[in-house]
Amino acid sequence: AQKVTQAQTEISVVEKEDVTLDCVYETRDTTYYLFWYKQPPSGELVFLIRRNSFDEQNEISGRYSWNFQKSTSSFNFTITASQVVDSAVYFCALMPTGTASKLTFGTGTRLQVTL
Amino acid sequence: NAGVTQTPKFRILKIGQSMTLQCTQDMNHNYMYWYRQDPGMGLKLIYYSVGAGITDKGEVPNGYNVSRSTTEDFPLRLELAAPSQTSVYFCASSYSTQPQHFGDGTRLSIL
Repeated sequence: AQKVTQAQTEISVVEKEDVTLDCVYETRDTTYYLFWYKQPPSGELVFLIRRNSFDEQNEISGRYSWNFQKSTSSFNFTITASQVVDSAVYFCALMPTGTASKLTFGTGTRLQVTL
Repeated sequence: NAGVTQTPKFRILKIGQSMTLQCTQDMNHNYMYWYRQDPGMGLKLIYYSVGAGITDKGEVPNGYNVSRSTTEDFPLRLELAAPSQTSVYFCASSYSTQPQHFGDGTRLSIL
């Protein structure tokens, strides 16, 4: 069985603050993918990143960065200099390699960025 | 390029009614999925398909049926709507285990 835990239900920050969204996962699979999706108030799901369990290199994309630590089963997401447009629900997800049907989502973290 | 298109966007049903949620994708993806998202929860897989003519149950299939007669279309049918099926439904597609692309969702209320 696999499980994704996003312990932060809701986070509020003021614009330009940095914010980190936590994601902890459990799996017995030796190879897997980790994902982050963004769900803005309009409701659609937007793919942000996929990380292979073999690749523990951190990744940066503009103001977004991801910290994958296999030793602690964590895949945290940091937004630097947050903006109002970052307000959304963010989902972390896990999928064993080769089994597209077993994408397991966390319950999401609602990020509210205010002026 | 439309991606994944879901119709309708909103629907209200009475208990016991039936309906079909439509999903079509134009990316020639072989895999397609149906999820439901309940308030404050992540997405749960209802059914999925790895290609035309092949479907399989996900985590929460009870009360739903699907078919996949073409690569592009993957409709989800509710035969006897129940209040517990009030949810937001998302269709998604992918090429094998590549990241899934999601539709905009269908908000369904059953009263």
